[in-house]
Amino acid sequence: DQQVKQNSPSLSVQEGRISILNCDYTNSMFDYFLWYKKYPAEGPTFLISISSIKDKNEDGRFTVFLNKSAKHLSLHIVPSQPGDSAVYFCAASAGSNYQLIWGAGTKLIIKP
Amino acid sequence: KAGVTQTPRYLIKTRGQQVTLSCSPISGHRSVSWYQQTPGQGLQFLFEYFSETQRNKGNFPGRFSGRQFSNSRSEMNVSTLELGDSALYLCASSLDTMNTEAFFGQGTRLTVV
Repeated sequence: DQQVKQNSPSLSVQEGRISILNCDYTNSMFDYFLWYKKYPAEGPTFLISISSIKDKNEDGRFTVFLNKSAKHLSLHIVPSQPGDSAVYFCAASAGSNYQLIWGAGTKLIIKP
Repeated sequence: KAGVTQTPRYLIKTRGQQVTLSCSPISGHRSVSWYQQTPGQGLQFLFEYFSETQRNKGNFPGRFSGRQFSNSRSEMNVSTLELGDSALYLCASSLDTMNTEAFFGQGTRLTVV
């Protein structure tokens, strides 16, 4: 049973446009969410996080939105750049010292 | 400062053998977590060590074990290897709590034949 789902295995976006990556979760106990980016042959790199007390967190071009009632979060990248092409993982936990549960990832391709 | 170092980068083993993977965390980081990644799957949590103690454990069989040394370096061991153990094994280190910003190593690609 997948508690964290990223239903789009891949997404293609034009350079300069907005990229929206989605993530759904089933466990209502999750209260901390993170996004990681992964390039081939490298480990994941932390991008941005959000706790359940907030519904939005911004860091430069990256914004994460959390909709607790829908158990849904999304990552917005504006504007998209070629270097953003990577696999994006969302992860969730029920507390800072509980294991992270990861989605399967979405491969983002930015077209020139 | 140096990042998370995992050795070896690549490994080929035969079914039934055992393997030990190593992870050196960022200096000062006390939490080390291990993950398994297989194609099409997210990262599956194996276990987390903090100050030489296993603090969290995922749902993997007892063939998967680990330890952490006083310098925070960690090793994971897989005994009686199976073909399905072929995966990328990732190590992540963080300052104290497991789920604050964690820094990952490049991983060890294990192939079981």
